[in-house]
Amino acid sequence: DQQVKQNSPSLSVQEGRISILNCDYTNSMFDYFLWYKKYPAEGPTFLISISSIKDKNEDGRFTVFLNKSAKHLSLHIVPSQPGDSAVYFCAAKGGSEKLVFGKGTKLTVNP
Amino acid sequence: DAGVTQSPTHLIKTRGQHVTLRCSPISGHKSVSWYQQVLGQGPQFIFQYYEKEERGRGNFPDRFSARQFPNYSSELNVNALLLGDSALYLCASSLLPSRVYNSPLHFGNGTRLTVT
Repeated sequence: DQQVKQNSPSLSVQEGRISILNCDYTNSMFDYFLWYKKYPAEGPTFLISISSIKDKNEDGRFTVFLNKSAKHLSLHIVPSQPGDSAVYFCAAKGGSEKLVFGKGTKLTVNP
Repeated sequence: DAGVTQSPTHLIKTRGQHVTLRCSPISGHKSVSWYQQVLGQGPQFIFQYYEKEERGRGNFPDRFSARQFPNYSSELNVNALLLGDSALYLCASSLLPSRVYNSPLHFGNGTRLTVT
């Protein structure tokens, strides 16, 4: 039973345009959500997070939106850069110590 | 400042053997978590330790065990290795247990374990 779903295995975007990565969750107990970026041969790197009491959080080029009623969150990257090419993981937690991860979306930003 | 460090980076073992993976957290971080990532999947939670005590355990068999030392470093042990244990094992640290304070986990680069 996958509690965090990233339904797009891959996404390709032109440099300078917006990248939108989506994530859905099923567990109503989740109250904290995070996005991680992962390059090959490296561990996941924390990007941005959002608490369930908010619906938006911005950090530079990265913005995360949370729609609790739809159990959906998205990560917007504007403008996209070739260095953003990586696998992006959505993760969630609530009521326990563990982070629950999605399967990831591979983002490719073309020059 | 050094990030989370893990050793070894790569390891090849035979079915039935045991393995010990090591992790040093970011200086000042007292909580360590272990995750397993198999190809094509997101990381899966194995354990969390804080102040040498287990604070959480994922859905893994008893062949998996871990401990945390007074200096907050940690070991993950896996006994009676199976082919399906082949994966990237990730260690992550945080300042406090995640139940106390919502803070992001900081991951190391992982240990790539191959079981043949």
